[in-house]
Amino acid sequence: EPEVTQTPSHQVTQMGQEVILRCVPISNHLYFYWYRQILGQKVEFLVSFYNNEISEKSEIFDDQFSVERPDGSNFTLKIRSTKLEDSAMYFCASLAGTPLIYNEQFFGPGTRLTVL
Amino acid sequence: AQTVTQSQPEMSVQEAETVTLSCTYDTSESDYYLFWYKQPPSRQMILVIRQEAYKQQNATENRFSVNFQKAAKSFSLKISDSQLGDAAMYFCAYSGRTSGTYKYIFGTGTRLKVLA
Repeated sequence: EPEVTQTPSHQVTQMGQEVILRCVPISNHLYFYWYRQILGQKVEFLVSFYNNEISEKSEIFDDQFSVERPDGSNFTLKIRSTKLEDSAMYFCASLAGTPLIYNEQFFGPGTRLTVL
Repeated sequence: AQTVTQSQPEMSVQEAETVTLSCTYDTSESDYYLFWYKQPPSRQMILVIRQEAYKQQNATENRFSVNFQKAAKSFSLKISDSQLGDAAMYFCAYSGRTSGTYKYIFGTGTRLKVLA
């Protein structure tokens, strides 16, 4: 069964450093997402990506964040200058998009980001 | 804006018994989907059950069923014959179709404990 994969599973970085979180969505899916979950809190939407551009972003997704799909398979989230409050679990998800019968997003296992 | 509310931070159930987790939502959209996700300690997001708003029939997946009350904007999850493996965090999620991004909006979660 196809699945969404994410690397690394755990990333430790120093405050102010840049990090890139990587995701490989399910092949042929058209919509891609990043979500964030601070420990003990709910899962929050960060950004959605469709047709090689951002389709929606939340207020959390400020200028420090960027996404791209450089090669048609990987989907990356970059944080330019990490802050302590960026420590969280980051989930990538993808959606087939057609047909939109069930609207089910498939989630990756997450990347735990720890900012020291 | 759409919101999802889970009013039970924690619930406990005896093994083999039945438990119901509550979820309410607020939306002005008429076409949307609702989901229940399970998050075990591994923090992987696992789809439990989904409901299309246009369907009046409540969804059922083995021991899991929902009580979908569209007018009341209520979407509760019933777990029958609870098993130790059901212990996890459960998130209710909403996905509207109007915006075209199909992002998920999650509730704050309910931690389910299963007592042997």
